Amino acid sequence: GEDVEQSLFLSVREGDSSVINCTYTDSSSTYLYWYKQEPGAGLQLLTYIFSNMDMKQDQRLTVLLNKKDKHLSLRIADTQTGDSAIYFCAESVPGGYQKVTFGTGTKLQVIP
Amino acid sequence: KAGVTQTPRYLIKTRGQQVTLSCSPISGHRSVSWYQQTPGQGLQFLFEYFSETQRNKGNFPGRFSGRQFSNSRSEMNVSTLELGDSALYLCASSSTTGNTEAFFGQGTRLTVV
Repeated sequence: GEDVEQSLFLSVREGDSSVINCTYTDSSSTYLYWYKQEPGAGLQLLTYIFSNMDMKQDQRLTVLLNKKDKHLSLRIADTQTGDSAIYFCAESVPGGYQKVTFGTGTKLQVIP
Repeated sequence: KAGVTQTPRYLIKTRGQQVTLSCSPISGHRSVSWYQQTPGQGLQFLFEYFSETQRNKGNFPGRFSGRQFSNSRSEMNVSTLELGDSALYLCASSSTTGNTEAFFGQGTRLTVV
C-alpha cells in the first residue's frame, strides 16, 4: 500500500540550506512530488521527479531520489523567509488514474 | 493560462445540511481529483473523475459524492453535514489519467457549525 512519511518540523536560519526528507513505501511509484502550502492557501507544485531519475535541479531546489531506500529529499539553497511554509512530499502510482498520496507535511520555519 | 478555479472560497454550513463545491480545471485538462485536508488527517484523496466517469474513490462515506460535466468542470457534494466535515477541500486537475502533474486550486474552506 501507499504510505508517505515526513518529519513534522524543520527550523533553519536565513541563508542556510534546508533539507526536507521523505520516505515512501510503494515501490511502483512513478512520480514523486514536492508541494508547498502557505497559510490559507492551496498547494503549489514546486517540482517533481520521475521514478527513473536520481536527481533534479531547478534553480534553488534540488530533489534527490534514492529508489532503493525509497527516500526522497528536497534541498532548498539559500533559504529565505518567504520559503517558510509547509512542504508536502507526494507520490502517484500507475493505474490509469490520477491519485496522489501525500505525506503529513513538514513545516519549515526560516529564522531571520 | 488560467489555473484551477474553485468556488466558493469559503462556506459556513449547519450540521445536517448539504453542500456543493465547484472546480473548474485548467483548460484542456480532463482529469479532476478532489482531496480533503484537515489538521488531524492531513490530505486525503476523495475521488477522481475523467471524461465524466469516476475512476477512483478514496475511503469516504457515501455522503461524499461528485460528478464531472462534459466541459470537465467538476462538483462535489456532501450531504448530511457533520462537524468533522469541516476542512479545506482541494481540487486538482491534470491533463490525462496517467501520472502527470497535478495542479491544485486554492481550495474551498468549509466550516460546519
